[in-house]
Amino acid sequence: EPEVTQTPSHQVTQMGQEVILRCVPISNHLYFYWYRQILGQKVEFLVSFYNNEISEKSEIFDDQFSVERPDGSNFTLKIRSTKLEDSAMYFCASSVRLVVNTEAFFGQGTRLTVV
Amino acid sequence: GENVEQHPSTLSVQEGDSAVIKCTYSDSASNYFPWYKQELGKRPQLIIDIRSNVGEKKDQRIAVTLNKTAKHFSLHITETQPEDSAVYFCASRRGVFSGGYNKLIFGAGTRLAVHP
Repeated sequence: EPEVTQTPSHQVTQMGQEVILRCVPISNHLYFYWYRQILGQKVEFLVSFYNNEISEKSEIFDDQFSVERPDGSNFTLKIRSTKLEDSAMYFCASSVRLVVNTEAFFGQGTRLTVV
Repeated sequence: GENVEQHPSTLSVQEGDSAVIKCTYSDSASNYFPWYKQELGKRPQLIIDIRSNVGEKKDQRIAVTLNKTAKHFSLHITETQPEDSAVYFCASRRGVFSGGYNKLIFGAGTRLAVHP
């Protein structure tokens, strides 16, 4: 069964450093998303991406964040200058199309720890 | 704003009992309501979903009900088993013809423990 895959599974970084989280969505999917989950809290939407551009972003997704689809398979989330409060599990998700009953498939997550 | 309230935050049941988790949403434009199961350290996985033109949906031991008037939807698990132990998240999403339809709004989660 096709899966969304994310690398790395765990990333430790120093405050102020840049990090890039990588995702390979399911191959025939057209819509891509990043969510994050701070430990013990709910899953929060960050950004959605379609047709090589951001289609929606949340208040969390400020100028420190950016997304990119550098080639036909990868989808990346960059945090320019990490802060302690960026520590969270980051989930990538994808869906085949955007209609009412389309399931979003989640990756296994990247645990980001900012020290 | 858009919000999904989920209760209870923790639920402990004996194997074989039923478990019910309830969610309330605020956005009238929501018309898709998935439920995700997240085992410790793993990805959220869709277990069942319901659309606003349906009041109830069942899949083996799992059922979901939706009351659009009251903006409530619930997950029902019957004959619970230890492997049902996980965190369950409800979520909502707007219809494709509404603005802001790209995102899932999640509830805070319910930690279900099924004791043998």
